[in-house]
Order: sequence, then structure tokens, then C-alpha cells
Amino acid sequence: ETGVTQSPTHLIKTRGQQVTLRCSSQSGHNTVSWYQQALGQGPQFIFQYYREEENGRGNFPPRFSGLQFPNYSSELNVNALELDDSALYLCASSLYGRAGETQYFGPGTRLLVL
Amino acid sequence: GENVEQHPSTLSVQEGDSAVIKCTYSDSASNYFPWYKQELGKRPQLIIDIRSNVGEKKDQRIAVTLNKTAKHFSLHITETQPEDSAVYFCAASSHLYIPTFGRGTSLIVHP
Repeated sequence: ETGVTQSPTHLIKTRGQQVTLRCSSQSGHNTVSWYQQALGQGPQFIFQYYREEENGRGNFPPRFSGLQFPNYSSELNVNALELDDSALYLCASSLYGRAGETQYFGPGTRLLVL
Repeated sequence: GENVEQHPSTLSVQEGDSAVIKCTYSDSASNYFPWYKQELGKRPQLIIDIRSNVGEKKDQRIAVTLNKTAKHFSLHITETQPEDSAVYFCAASSHLYIPTFGRGTSLIVHP
């Protein structure tokens, strides 16, 4: 096991609601990245957090926001949920500072928006 | 930004055959190329990676090759087994440490 954990494993919400997903990084890692994986697609980068600051962002609207805590765990918040937000949300932890350091994925949270 | 194209989208082989998955990337600054395997309902797992200062890397039945000039890299699996059946993703990242993923290849190994 890689040590990256996510909660909850599954979640059902209705359109317009808000959701918070959580991720605990692997021991020794200081960077957390979040991805959205729609069915049959590759992971799409949402944003990355390093030292509690957003370190990069993909093509996602501002209603996707995040936090990183001093222990390097992280939250992904999505406001005003839309049906298209239904997907598997993956977090991945890594050690920033070395070019191309490997990202290790958590098991994901499967979100269904009705 | 980086763009990664992956082919084929589906690959069906007989057990014991070889399988090759190809990816191209657009950003010449990309210098790290990991490959992930994702079984149904599970997390992506790193199976092999290569850095831009290396042309080829092998780990038992799996190998990856990189052609920096042509901006393409490939995954080779020899002596395929049914347990190799999964979706495989290639990715490319640069000094920004943010990988861009391909759309995935569904590999089916028939016993």
C-alpha cells in the first residue's frame, strides 16, 4: 500500500449542494495534487498544494477550491455541484523539489451528483 | 500547456503475446514520463517511469522507451498474462512536477 488515504469512499449529492473531500498524504510527502477522473478518461489535474499554498491549477472553475494543512493533508471543496461533477476524485501525494518526483495515488472518492 | 496523446484506446491480445502502447507529448520541457496501471475500481499504480536522460528502461516483462527528438514514448509488455488486463495511462511532466495524463489504453489479455 502507498499510504495515501481518502475519505469518504463514496458520496451522493444533489445539484447545487457543496461537498468536501479529504486526503491524507503518504508519510514524508509534502505535496498533494487533486485529479478528476470521469468514466473512461484519464485523470484531469485540478490543482496542487505545496506548503499550504496552491502551486498550480488546471482548467477548473473557481467553485473548485482546496486547502492544505500543516500536516500536509488536504481538502477539496466543490460548491454549487453540477451533474458533470460526477466522477472519481483522486488525490496524489509526492515530494516536491525534485524534478519529476513520482505521485502516489489514493483510492479515490466516487462522487455522484443527482 | 502539455498535451499527451495515447494510442490505441483499446488493445486486445492473446496470452503470451506482446503489447505496445504509444504516447506522444507536446512540451519539449517535459522530462519525466511515468506509466500507471489502473485495475477496475482501483487507484492508478505506478508500474514504470523514465527520465529524459535515459532512452530505455526495463523491469522484468515491462519496458519503456523514450525518443526525445520525436517526443514520443512507449510501453512494452512481453509475455502478457491475464492479470495484465487493466487500463494503462501514460503521463508527462516538466519542472512544474504536474503530470499531464493520456486518455488511457484498455488492455485485454485473453487466456
